[in-house]
Amino acid sequence: AQRVTQPEKLLSVFKGAPVELKCNYSYSGSPELFWYVQYSRQRLQLLLRHISRESIKGFTADLNKGETSFHLKKPFAQEEDSAMYYCALHLGGSGNTPLVFGKGTRLSVIA
Amino acid sequence: EAQVTQNPRYLITVTGKKLTVTCSQNMNHEYMSWYRQDPGLGLRQIYYSMNVEVTDKGDVPEGYKVSRKEKRNFPLILESPSPNQTSLYFCASSLTGRDTDTQYFGPGTRLTVL
Repeated sequence: AQRVTQPEKLLSVFKGAPVELKCNYSYSGSPELFWYVQYSRQRLQLLLRHISRESIKGFTADLNKGETSFHLKKPFAQEEDSAMYYCALHLGGSGNTPLVFGKGTRLSVIA
Repeated sequence: EAQVTQNPRYLITVTGKKLTVTCSQNMNHEYMSWYRQDPGLGLRQIYYSMNVEVTDKGDVPEGYKVSRKEKRNFPLILESPSPNQTSLYFCASSLTGRDTDTQYFGPGTRLTVL
């Protein structure tokens, strides 16, 4: 079965420290992976997707098919990065398939 | 302005009293979806719809119904709510539902069933 695992429920780091939010997936096909973020009292929004290979708000994520991972990284955490982060897997194919979400990791950046 | 709107934003109700949470998008999206978010469980999909009159079950459809009579609206119906349906609900839409499409989420509806 397709699965997304975020092993950390809560990650606390000091401001300026590097951040890595882990995400592992299980899927035998060609996956599309995303990171979504939800700031306090705001709606869920897309942070980045692996196919665009972009850096958003200083965050990057590289798809490692060998390790089936899509970890989210930022070299220097900021207080405004404190939020709930969800890794999501969209199964490949021409038809619709839903997004499969991980359970989320709450990032807390301490001043 | 492109929007996904949900109503109500907050609702407290009692067990067994039918309720409907509305969702509307103004982007002419074909694909719409409902999720619930629970602590420690993250986001789980309830139902989704590829287009008008086309709906399908997600991961946790029990106790819910949906309808898609118009492209812009995708209401979530709880015929007989129970306390385990207390949750934060999100509606989302995307252009076609393909993996290259961005999903746009509504602001959420916090439901409490007593």
